[in-house]
Amino acid sequence: GAVVSQHPSWVICKSGTSVKIECRSLDFQATTMFWYRQFPKQSLMLMATSNEGSKATYEQGVEKDKFLINHASLTLSTLTVTSAHPEDSSFYICSAEGTNQPQHFGDGTRLSIL
Amino acid sequence: QKEVEQDPGPLSVPEGAIVSLNCTYSNSAFQYFMWYRQYSRKGPELLMYTYSSGNKEDGRFTAQVDKSSKYISLFIRDSQPSDSATYLCAMRAIGAGSYQLTFGKGTKLSVIP
Repeated sequence: GAVVSQHPSWVICKSGTSVKIECRSLDFQATTMFWYRQFPKQSLMLMATSNEGSKATYEQGVEKDKFLINHASLTLSTLTVTSAHPEDSSFYICSAEGTNQPQHFGDGTRLSIL
Repeated sequence: QKEVEQDPGPLSVPEGAIVSLNCTYSNSAFQYFMWYRQYSRKGPELLMYTYSSGNKEDGRFTAQVDKSSKYISLFIRDSQPSDSATYLCAMRAIGAGSYQLTFGKGTKLSVIP
């Protein structure tokens, strides 16, 4: 099946630093990529949608300047959490969708801000 | 009424049992239906994907869609302890700008050896 790779799987950093998470579609061209956040025992919460070469569309309540999304190619999207604080600690998951490909998810990134 | 309703469980069954997981929805624009399996601390894994009413089978898994009743199901035959996970139904409409998925809250399944 289609594979979406997400890196890193776990990151711990100090408050105030920025963290970049990468999401790659390994065997198909991702026309659209999505970034989700998931709190313990809850379902996925969509943060933003991005199409290759264009600006991301953010969901209501998601700070654009806090969560920077870049979708520079058909196989790569990045999420940068800027000036991260403890309240940004969460499980972040990307997904990718292509022509005739439903959304496939990465394995998630566990972000812990100290 | 939420767009997608899914019983969160938890659901506990003995190994070898047939498991039935269900979702109902209210938006008739939904045309694509998916089931994902999510293990703890992992991303969701696509199990089944269908866009027509009826049954679709893949190994031990059968997805069933009834658009007239706005009801979808996932059946797992000969359940195994490795099937213990949270199962998410998801659906989306078709057409420009409609690529976002709407998820159920997930059903937590435990298969007891």
